[in-house]
Amino acid sequence: KAGVTQTPRYLIKTRGQQVTLSCSPISGHRSVSWYQQTPGQGLQFLFEYFSETQRNKGNFPGRFSGRQFSNSRSEMNVSTLELGDSALYLCASSFRTGINEKLFFGSGTQLSVL
Amino acid sequence: GENVEQHPSTLSVQEGDSAVIKCTYSDSASNYFPWYKQELGKRPQLIIDIRSNVGEKKDQRIAVTLNKTAKHFSLHITETQPEDSAVYFCAAIATGGSYIPTFGRGTSLIVHP
Repeated sequence: KAGVTQTPRYLIKTRGQQVTLSCSPISGHRSVSWYQQTPGQGLQFLFEYFSETQRNKGNFPGRFSGRQFSNSRSEMNVSTLELGDSALYLCASSFRTGINEKLFFGSGTQLSVL
Repeated sequence: GENVEQHPSTLSVQEGDSAVIKCTYSDSASNYFPWYKQELGKRPQLIIDIRSNVGEKKDQRIAVTLNKTAKHFSLHITETQPEDSAVYFCAAIATGGSYIPTFGRGTSLIVHP
């Protein structure tokens, strides 16, 4: 079974630009969640999508948004990039049914904002 | 919201020693506590998890204990090996509620051969 796939692996952008990151979950997983990982703050939850609906949202500004498609693939968008947005962005998928909440992470997209 | 404190931030041990990483959480609604291992340049991977109706869980050299009253849980690694060197993250999740995973800041475990 293929794992969680994130593209692109690396991105370099300048301040003020916007960026879109993509995440393809494990086949059959309907939940996709996104995380920002930085050396100082660790892993921080951005949002979660389940069956194309945002079910939960972390404490990030509205510049961070996402969506999920009918095939469960998800995209995350960051508009008006700031230097502080430089981070590794990880997505994770899970079944999210019953009590099965195990998260399977992708390799991440390393975003550098110059 | 939930707050998870993880200690120590760095742990250095000799091969064969045991390693213990501790996390405390604040929200009594949290009922699912996974641990992730992230090797350098790789994705986090679930290594063990525990639910609030269980006090301890073991998987070979790895064990997790949970004290619901004190709101803390710990990862125990016995007979450490160099390949155990990685960053370990704990998390606390309230699965019946808003389901927002809160992670600790991570522990960098270094196992010296």
